[in-house]
Amino acid sequence: GDSVTQMEGPVTLSEEAFLTINCTYTATGYPSLFWYVQYPGEGLQLLLKATKADDKGSNKGFEATYRKETTSFHLEKGSVQVSDSAVYFCALAYNQGGKLIFGQGTELSVKP
Amino acid sequence: GAGVSQTPSNKVTEKGKYVELRCDPISGHTALYWYRQSLGQGPEFLIYFQGTGAADDSGLPNDRFFAVRPEGSVSTLKIQRTERGDSAVYLCASSLAGQKSSEQFFGPGTRLTVL
Repeated sequence: GDSVTQMEGPVTLSEEAFLTINCTYTATGYPSLFWYVQYPGEGLQLLLKATKADDKGSNKGFEATYRKETTSFHLEKGSVQVSDSAVYFCALAYNQGGKLIFGQGTELSVKP
Repeated sequence: GAGVSQTPSNKVTEKGKYVELRCDPISGHTALYWYRQSLGQGPEFLIYFQGTGAADDSGLPNDRFFAVRPEGSVSTLKIQRTERGDSAVYLCASSLAGQKSSEQFFGPGTRLTVL
């Protein structure tokens, strides 16, 4: 069945370090891909999305490119900040109803 | 504007009891979703409404779980004969159109604990 696999956390980085969180998916058809973020004490919110192959989603310095050939949607940021500390979820939606299938989440901790 | 709200924020109940969890979506959003999130896991889909009707209930784990959205706005998730394994955070989300490219807006969740 359809699924999303993320790299396991927690990931601990120093401020201004480069971030990559790997995400791969298995899906029938042509899903839309998302990264959602959950900051401490807050609800899930959309970080970025891409709706077709080779699209790049970007927001707040984060980027991810929809790679159909490798079924991947890796999240990257060139220079992380302490305020980026959160749990990041990769997800896909594959039918017109839009129900999301999530990965297990990756906790990021950025130290000053 | 107001976001998605859920009540109660916390619910503690005893095994075998009945519980109702409420979701108030963003005004004008026709699509409403329920998810369940266990500790250390990503949210798992339960049910999706388009308007008043349940368009996809394939994620409901068994017939103890039921949800309604009678007027196409507020939704209630109902769990009968609760079990300890039902303990989780129940999330509600809404979106404008219910398409696969649509952003879903999540509520803060209801933390259910079954003793």
